[in-house]
Amino acid sequence: DAGVTQSPTHLIKTRGQHVTLRCSPISGHKSVSWYQQVLGQGPQFIFQYYEKEERGRGNFPDRFSARQFPNYSSELNVNALLLGDSALYLCASSLVWTSDDEQFFGPGTRLTVL
Amino acid sequence: EDKVVQSPLSLVVHEGDTVTLNCSYEVTNFRSLLWYKQEKKAPTFLFMLTSSGIEKKSGRLSSILDKKELFSILNITATQTGDSAIYLCAGRYSGGGADGLTFGKGTHLIIQP
Repeated sequence: DAGVTQSPTHLIKTRGQHVTLRCSPISGHKSVSWYQQVLGQGPQFIFQYYEKEERGRGNFPDRFSARQFPNYSSELNVNALLLGDSALYLCASSLVWTSDDEQFFGPGTRLTVL
Repeated sequence: EDKVVQSPLSLVVHEGDTVTLNCSYEVTNFRSLLWYKQEKKAPTFLFMLTSSGIEKKSGRLSSILDKKELFSILNITATQTGDSAIYLCAGRYSGGGADGLTFGKGTHLIIQP
């Protein structure tokens, strides 16, 4: 079984541009969460989606948005990129929304903003 | 504001040593405490702890939670070079419309041959 997949693997953008990151959860998983991991820090929660609805949002500006599709895959969009948005963006999937199920992480997308 | 604090932030030991990694947490609507190992990119799951005082064990790794003191430790015995990684601790919360993880900064563990 395929694990959580993310694309692209790496991305280089310049300040002011926008970016779309993609995530496909494990088959059968309906919940997707997004995290930002800046170098030297632990992952920080950005969004959680379940059944195509936003169920939680971390302390990030409105430049960050996301959505979940009927097949449970998800996109994270970041507008007006800043240098500080350079990070590893991790997607995690779990079976359902509120549960004690483990969150499985994807390999991440490394975003560099120049 | 929720916070998870890990110590030490970095640790260098020799192969065969035993290490103890610490994690303290203050997480609203706390549900469980999770440990992950991060080597390159994706954190991989080690343990989920929900009850105080019950040790979870997997090979040379073990972990325990103290919900009164809001504290958890991760022990690794007979360390090997393959144990070199960043170990992340996270408090899982559920409630107020969200279910997520608050991570600490991680402990960067280096095992020297």
